[in-house]
Amino acid sequence: SSELTQDPAVSVALGQTVTITCQGASLTKYYAGWYQQKPGQAPVLVWYGRKNRPSGIPDRFSGSSSGNTASLTITGAQAEDEADYYCSSRDSSGYHRVFGGGTKLTV
Amino acid sequence: QVHLVQSGAELKRPGASVKVSCKTSNYTFTDYYIHWVRQAPGQGLEWMGWSNPHSGDAGPGQKFQGRLTMTTDTSISTAYMVLSSLTSDDTAIYYCAKDTYSWSDQADGFDLWGQGTLVSVSS
Repeated sequence: SSELTQDPAVSVALGQTVTITCQGASLTKYYAGWYQQKPGQAPVLVWYGRKNRPSGIPDRFSGSSSGNTASLTITGAQAEDEADYYCSSRDSSGYHRVFGGGTKLTV
Repeated sequence: QVHLVQSGAELKRPGASVKVSCKTSNYTFTDYYIHWVRQAPGQGLEWMGWSNPHSGDAGPGQKFQGRLTMTTDTSISTAYMVLSSLTSDDTAIYYCAKDTYSWSDQADGFDLWGQGTLVSVSS
C-alpha cells in the first residue's frame, strides 16, 4: 500500500478551478512533487516543493502544503489538463521515494 | 536540450533477468541522481530505486532489495537497471528519471523522464 493517499478521481468544469490533494505522514517533513501523465506518455513534472514550477508548465498550475497534506491547484482548467496526476515525496526515512496512487482528472 | 533515451522493449521468461539502459545527454551526468520507476498495465507509478552517478552508490527500494541492481557508466553518461528473478508481476513499463533539487526550499522531483521501456514477462 502507498504511503501517500490521493482521491482516485476528480472532475472539474472547463475553466473552473480544481484542487487535487495528497496526504501522508512524510509530508510533514518533506515537500511533494506533482506529475501529470497522459495516456501512452511518460509523466511530466508540473510542480515541486513550495514554489517551483518547471519551465514550460503553464502558470495555472500551482502547489501548496499544510501539515500532512500537499495540494495541486489548477486555476482555469483546460481540456488538455485531463490526465492522471501523481504526487511523490520522500518516505518517512527520507532515504527512499514514494508515489501516491494517482488521481484521474476529468475536465 | 536534455534527453534520456532508454533501450527497447524486452520479452523475458519467468526467472530470467532484464537489463534496461538509460542514455543521458546535454547535462552533467554526475550532478544528479537517476531514479527508476515502473508502471504495470493500467496501474499507477511505482518508485523502484535511485543511483548516484557521482559516487556509484545505489539505493533500491525495500520491495526490490536483493533483485534490483542499478549502475552507471560515467564515460558514456548512461544508467542501467537489472531486475532479476522476473515473474509475470514484473510486466510493466520501466522509466528512468533525472532528479532535480531546489536549494531554496530543499525540494526535489523528477524533472525529466525517459520514454519508457516495456518489459513483458511470459512463459
